[in-house]
Amino acid sequence: DAKTTQPPSMDCAEGRAANLPCNHSTISGNEYVYWYRQIHSQGPQYIIHGLKNNETNEMASLIITEDRKSSTLILPHATLRDTAVYYCIAPHTGANSKLTFGKGITLSVRP
Amino acid sequence: EPEVTQTPSHQVTQMGQEVILRCVPISNHLYFYWYRQILGQKVEFLVSFYNNEISEKSEIFDDQFSVERPDGSNFTLKIRSTKLEDSAMYFCASSGERADTQYFGPGTRLTVL
Repeated sequence: DAKTTQPPSMDCAEGRAANLPCNHSTISGNEYVYWYRQIHSQGPQYIIHGLKNNETNEMASLIITEDRKSSTLILPHATLRDTAVYYCIAPHTGANSKLTFGKGITLSVRP
Repeated sequence: EPEVTQTPSHQVTQMGQEVILRCVPISNHLYFYWYRQILGQKVEFLVSFYNNEISEKSEIFDDQFSVERPDGSNFTLKIRSTKLEDSAMYFCASSGERADTQYFGPGTRLTVL
């Protein structure tokens, strides 16, 4: 897996956008960037993934820089339920590739 | 929306006993995984499974661990002789034909006394 680096924590106000950064400077050309989150001790929840282009779904947007060395997960209107640990992962390309979880970034949404 | 389910949600066992953790992956998925998370630590990969064979396993997945797909729907993790350090949350995951996005179950909390 490409190494990813995330700050340990951040917070944002409820209703505001949360922008979660991730560095993956060693990512190779065909490795995707995945974002998962884990609320308390629940199972990791898939959020979004992308390769080169920016992606958006009902949960979030993913902005990947042109050089692919970093990305930002955007939660457009954070709620208290978005308080969680967010993981940025760039697994090896290929069938059955394992996910290597780091410590992630703890997002605290304040009222 | 289809989801991965796991049973039991909490298992308490005595050291040295065998435990079987059960998972029902998403129905049309072909790739299956087990991960674990010791309290306060990172989520760690244990094993991946495809076409009735282990594809990859970590150093944690020693001879005490085994996986099986006994029928068309279940995927199990067996720990033959549990140790105190096996206490953790165990997560099952599955992915579809392209083996890309993995979807996780809610986990089984294993407590070894």
